Amino acid sequence: GAVVSQHPSWVICKSGTSVKIECRSLDFQATTMFWYRQFPKQSLMLMATSNEGSKATYEQGVEKDKFLINHASLTLSTLTVTSAHPEDSSFYICSARGVAPGELFFGEGSRLTVL
Amino acid sequence: RKEVEQDPGPFNVPEGATVAFNCTYSNSASQSFFWYRQDCRKEPKLLMSVYSSGNEDGRFTAQLNRASQYISLLIRDSKLSDSATYLCVVTLTGKSTFGDGTTLTVKP
Repeated sequence: GAVVSQHPSWVICKSGTSVKIECRSLDFQATTMFWYRQFPKQSLMLMATSNEGSKATYEQGVEKDKFLINHASLTLSTLTVTSAHPEDSSFYICSARGVAPGELFFGEGSRLTVL
Repeated sequence: RKEVEQDPGPFNVPEGATVAFNCTYSNSASQSFFWYRQDCRKEPKLLMSVYSSGNEDGRFTAQLNRASQYISLLIRDSKLSDSATYLCVVTLTGKSTFGDGTTLTVKP
């Protein structure tokens, strides 16, 4: 069964609105979660590392004020795409570390379409 | 140069064929190596870890060559259900870098 759950699976919104995506670890505590973005026919690009109780660490080129990350509990991290625009349309995926070094468990992904 | 590079693909093979994917990584300090499988519009799922000694899981064999900074995945007796994109993943100090993926289509 899934160990990381992501919601919503897909969302369509108007340009200028904000969209929140949730990532939950099931039956385990995830002090660190990762947020990725994947455009069609491209690989996953790490956007940021979400740390419980502290500020997220963003990758170069990712706007902190546009992609707000909150990791308020050991089982929940949220990504908010603020003032979304059509170019933000993408597949957003979260992950949490597994037990083995480097092992990752992924959420189901959230497909965002901004009209 | 990309940190992780994979065969561009796509690979189109008949059922029963043997197919091999290659991956190279640029950072010699990389610590952990994996192959993930990603189906269309789905999240990646771990296929197998890769060790220097090589490891096998049924029809799948993975190999790591640290000296050449090279990882491989061999699939024997391909099934229709093996059709997917295979991602090479390299990890260093907890940060994972993904290759662009190689798409495999197994045809009847």
